[in-house]
Amino acid sequence: NAGVMQNPRHLVRRRGQEARLRCSPMKGHSHVYWYRQLPEEGLKFMVYLQKENIIDESGMPKERFSAEFPKEGPSILRIQQVVRGDSAAYFCASSATQGPDTQYFGPGTRLTVL
Amino acid sequence: AQSVTQPDIHITVSEGASLELRCNYSYGATPYLFWYVQSPGQGLQLLLKYFSGDTLVQGIKGFEAEFKRSQSSFNLRKPSVHWSDAAEYFCAVGAGDYKLSFGAGTTVTVRA
Repeated sequence: NAGVMQNPRHLVRRRGQEARLRCSPMKGHSHVYWYRQLPEEGLKFMVYLQKENIIDESGMPKERFSAEFPKEGPSILRIQQVVRGDSAAYFCASSATQGPDTQYFGPGTRLTVL
Repeated sequence: AQSVTQPDIHITVSEGASLELRCNYSYGATPYLFWYVQSPGQGLQLLLKYFSGDTLVQGIKGFEAEFKRSQSSFNLRKPSVHWSDAAEYFCAVGAGDYKLSFGAGTTVTVRA
C-alpha cells in the first residue's frame, strides 16, 4: 500500500523561475493538504483541496502561489517567479475523509532558490 | 485559532534512558492531538493520535502520550530510548476541521 508520493524530492530553481511540486495521495484518499516548513519552524498549513476543488487556501501567499488537484493525476503546487524566501520544505498530506481525520504525509519536496 | 507550543527546542538523552517531550496547546474545546516524527531528510510519520476516550494513548515504536485537559498538555514519553529515536518530533493540534497547527518541533539527540 503505497503512501503519499511527492516529486521531485529536491528542486533547485533560480530566482524568477517557476517551481512545480507534485503530490499523489494515498490510494483511496481524495483530500489533499499542502504545508510549508521554513527552516527552524514547524509546518504551516497552506491549502486544502479535493478533486477539482480548492476548499481552503487561507494559508497560501496571495501572489505567485497556486494549487490544483485535477480529476486525473496528482495535485500540483505551483510557485511562479520564485524568490529566495520560497526556499523551504513543502509537504503534502492526504486523508480519507474531511477532518478531523488522520493526515498522512509524504516525504516532502525541498525547494532551494538560488 | 489554536496554537501549539513545544517548550524544548533540543533534548539530549542517553540510550536506554527515558524521554519526555512536552507539548502545550491553546484551544477552547477538546482538540484533536497528534505526534509526528521526522527523521533527517524524511517526511513525517505519525506516532500516535488522540481524538477522544482514554487519555493515555499508545503509539508505534514504544511511544505513549497523555492528554491532560487541565494542563492543556499532550506530552510524549518513551521509557527507554534507542539510538534510532534520534529525530525531530512535532506535536500538532486539529480544531475539529482539517487544518493542523504544528509546534516548532523538538530535536532529540541520543548519545551512546
